[in-house]
Amino acid sequence: AQRVTQPEKLLSVFKGAPVELKCNYSYSGSPELFWYVQYSRQRLQLLLRHISRESIKGFTADLNKGETSFHLKKPFAQEEDSAMYYCALNYGGATNKLIFGTGTLLAVQP
Amino acid sequence: NAGVTQTPKFQVLKTGQSMTLQCAQDMNHNSMYWYRQDPGMGLRLIYYSASEGTTDKGEVPNGYNVSRLNKREFSLRLESAAPSQTSVYFCASSEGGARGETQYFGPGTRLLVL
Repeated sequence: AQRVTQPEKLLSVFKGAPVELKCNYSYSGSPELFWYVQYSRQRLQLLLRHISRESIKGFTADLNKGETSFHLKKPFAQEEDSAMYYCALNYGGATNKLIFGTGTLLAVQP
Repeated sequence: NAGVTQTPKFQVLKTGQSMTLQCAQDMNHNSMYWYRQDPGMGLRLIYYSASEGTTDKGEVPNGYNVSRLNKREFSLRLESAAPSQTSVYFCASSEGGARGETQYFGPGTRLLVL
């Protein structure tokens, strides 16, 4: 069965430090992965998707099929990056049914 | 554009009562979704709708019914609420038909079943 694991509930870093939010998945098909983010008092929104290979707000994520991982990285954290981050896997093809990880709260200290 | 709207924002029910959570989107999207989020867990898909009049089960459909009466609206009904259905419910929509689409989320409905 498909599964998404985010092992860290909380990640606390200082401003300017590198950030890596971990995500591992289990899926028998060709994976399609996303990072969604929820800032304080805002709605859940898409941050990036692996298929686009883009950098959003300085964040990048590379799909590693060998390690079944899709870790989110940023070289220099900013205070405004503080938020809840969810890794998600599309298991439904064109239906885009998603399974989410439990989320990691990123707290960037000044 | 309001995007995805949900009503009510908060609701308290007694065990056995019924209620309908409403969701509407003004983005002309074809696909709509209902998720629930429980403490310490990720969002879990309850039901999905690809278009008006069509629905499909997600991971946790038991205890829920849905209706997609038109393109804009997708409602979630609890016929006989149970304490295990205490959760935050999110509605989402996407354009529909292509892999990797962005899902746009509503603000959520907090439901407490006593």
